[in-house]
Amino acid sequence: NAGVTQTPKFQVLKTGQSMTLQCAQDMNHNSMYWYRQDPGMGLRLIYYSASEGTTDKGEVPNGYNVSRLNKREFSLRLESAAPSQTSVYFCASSEVLGNEQYFGPGTRLTVT
Amino acid sequence: DAKTTQPTSMDCAEGRAANLPCNHSTISGNEYVYWYRQIHSQGPQYIIHGLKNNETNEMASLIITEDRKSSTLILPHATLRDTAVYYCIVRPGLSYTGANSKLTFGKGITLSVRP
Repeated sequence: NAGVTQTPKFQVLKTGQSMTLQCAQDMNHNSMYWYRQDPGMGLRLIYYSASEGTTDKGEVPNGYNVSRLNKREFSLRLESAAPSQTSVYFCASSEVLGNEQYFGPGTRLTVT
Repeated sequence: DAKTTQPTSMDCAEGRAANLPCNHSTISGNEYVYWYRQIHSQGPQYIIHGLKNNETNEMASLIITEDRKSSTLILPHATLRDTAVYYCIVRPGLSYTGANSKLTFGKGITLSVRP
């Protein structure tokens, strides 16, 4: 039972490049989330998916898109990376919205 | 969500109980108290949550005062691996839906467990 897994663990991009961060959970959870964490800023919600087939914006969605591929997988895409998107990205899941959330190990992204 | 106040840091000796306080004087009736922690460079980890009764699981105990204005997370036998930032969060529970499903982490309390 791996919980929440994220790939890649580290990534360096040049400004303007695109990439997709992958997240998968094996806990049969309905809800999934993408956060970013910057020094001194705490966690900020980018997008979330209450259940398979639905996605909604969080507090900082600009520059990102998401896909809830199936119940297990929730991906985050940066179409044209910017230095302001340098951050640590965490994926999380919960049984339903409002339940306790379980986090993955994070992806450390640097955009130069 | 109601605001929480935590001390900046504390330490305790390995093997002793660590009691981490949290003040949430503006908590409303449908809000739960959640605790998470984040060990350096790792993802946040859920610890425990409660509404008004004391709760215990394999990781910790949560003591909530009768007026629900404060709570204490207790790690009964702290180890070096418990060194982390601990976050106390107040938020609505299972009936909650909508765009505010985010977790709002404040600065938390840094617990240092010394040998």
